[in-house]
Amino acid sequence: GENVEQHPSTLSVQEGDSAVIKCTYSDSASNYFPWYKQELGKRPQLIIDIRSNVGEKKDQRIAVTLNKTAKHFSLHITETQPEDSAVYFCAASKGAGKSTFGDGTTLTVKP
Amino acid sequence: GAVVSQHPSRVICKSGTSVKIECRSLDFQATTMFWYRQFPKQSLMLMATSNEGSKATYEQGVEKDKFLINHASLTLSTLTVTSAHPEDSSFYICSANRGRGGETQYFGPGTRLLVL
Repeated sequence: GENVEQHPSTLSVQEGDSAVIKCTYSDSASNYFPWYKQELGKRPQLIIDIRSNVGEKKDQRIAVTLNKTAKHFSLHITETQPEDSAVYFCAASKGAGKSTFGDGTTLTVKP
Repeated sequence: GAVVSQHPSRVICKSGTSVKIECRSLDFQATTMFWYRQFPKQSLMLMATSNEGSKATYEQGVEKDKFLINHASLTLSTLTVTSAHPEDSSFYICSANRGRGGETQYFGPGTRLLVL
């Protein structure tokens, strides 16, 4: 089955700096890669996603890049703010919703 | 749109009792729903895929007789933890896909189960 590895497990940045989280996947048939943000005790919320026919997608301060050949994708957050502090999960899916999640990255943005 | 609710939000029960958790898609029909378990500071572990009108598909290592799943309608899936024990204490989250073959998962708010 699919295996998703996520790094780093924890990330601490100063407010205003950029944060990058990287994930690799094993199944070349995976074609949908969402990123979720989960605040303590709350549900995961989709923040951005990318499909395999696209190499990069951007939404304001958040961007995701995908390298299908190398089977890795990354989340980039620019101009970080304290409210960006949360756990971020990457996931890989072959469609129809069933996803394999990474282990999560705890992002702390220090004011 | 795409709101998923879960009930109850938290439950405390005695060892040996059964607990039912409901997952509802409020403004869309969900052919498929997923049940996850999440331990503190850990990732989401998929337990089973719930398909409307058919048997659930369980992930390896998940006891289907322990975690009963029913998906009786396009807006409701239930997870029953039977004869709960302290090791079943966890955060249970459901998610639903919007429409057939929909990719994006919309998560419920989760249910925190504590078994004494």
